[in-house]
Amino acid sequence: DAKTTQPPSMDCAEGRAANLPCNHSTISGNEYVYWYRQIHSQGPQYIIHGLKNNETNEMASLIITEDRKSSTLILPHATLRDTAVYYCIVRYPWGSQGNLIFGKGTKLSVKP
Amino acid sequence: DVKVTQSSRYLVKRTGEKVFLECVQDMDHENMFWYRQDPGLGLRLIYFSYDVKMKEKGDIPEGYSVSREKKERFSLILESASTNQTSMYLCASRLSNEKLFFGSGTQLSVL
Repeated sequence: DAKTTQPPSMDCAEGRAANLPCNHSTISGNEYVYWYRQIHSQGPQYIIHGLKNNETNEMASLIITEDRKSSTLILPHATLRDTAVYYCIVRYPWGSQGNLIFGKGTKLSVKP
Repeated sequence: DVKVTQSSRYLVKRTGEKVFLECVQDMDHENMFWYRQDPGLGLRLIYFSYDVKMKEKGDIPEGYSVSREKKERFSLILESASTNQTSMYLCASRLSNEKLFFGSGTQLSVL
């Protein structure tokens, strides 16, 4: 699975959009981009995933660049409850059953 | 919503003890996983299972074993606990190719 690079930490003001970047320059054609987050003392929570088109759900939007070498997770109106570590992962959704490789992620702090 | 339940939130054991960590999921998922999470190291895969009685080693299986006798239950076993196995243990499950659902974790301290 391709390696990802994320900034270690970011701050965001409550009510503003939080834009979390992820670089995955070695992504291959069939690998998807997944985002999870982990709120302190809880297990990771799935947020969103995509292949090449932009995706949106009730939690967030995912913007993938045309060359697929990077992506951005957007939380449109961040709240204090969005303070968490956000993980960007790229992998094939089929085939290898395990090895969802979590890096160190980005610690997002939403401030009042 | 899928529920993945880990039997204990906090556990304290002594060196050399045999430790069982239990995980149950309620959505008939085929795949189940055990990770450990340590500061600065992220989540590391210990073992996973894609069917009853099937298991595969992950990245760090040494010192651990697993059991999957029923589809909904996946147990992690520390045969002889050591202090370097003090960690947060996370169980997860999913259907074949879909998103992972995690339990709340078990913080294990081995003294």
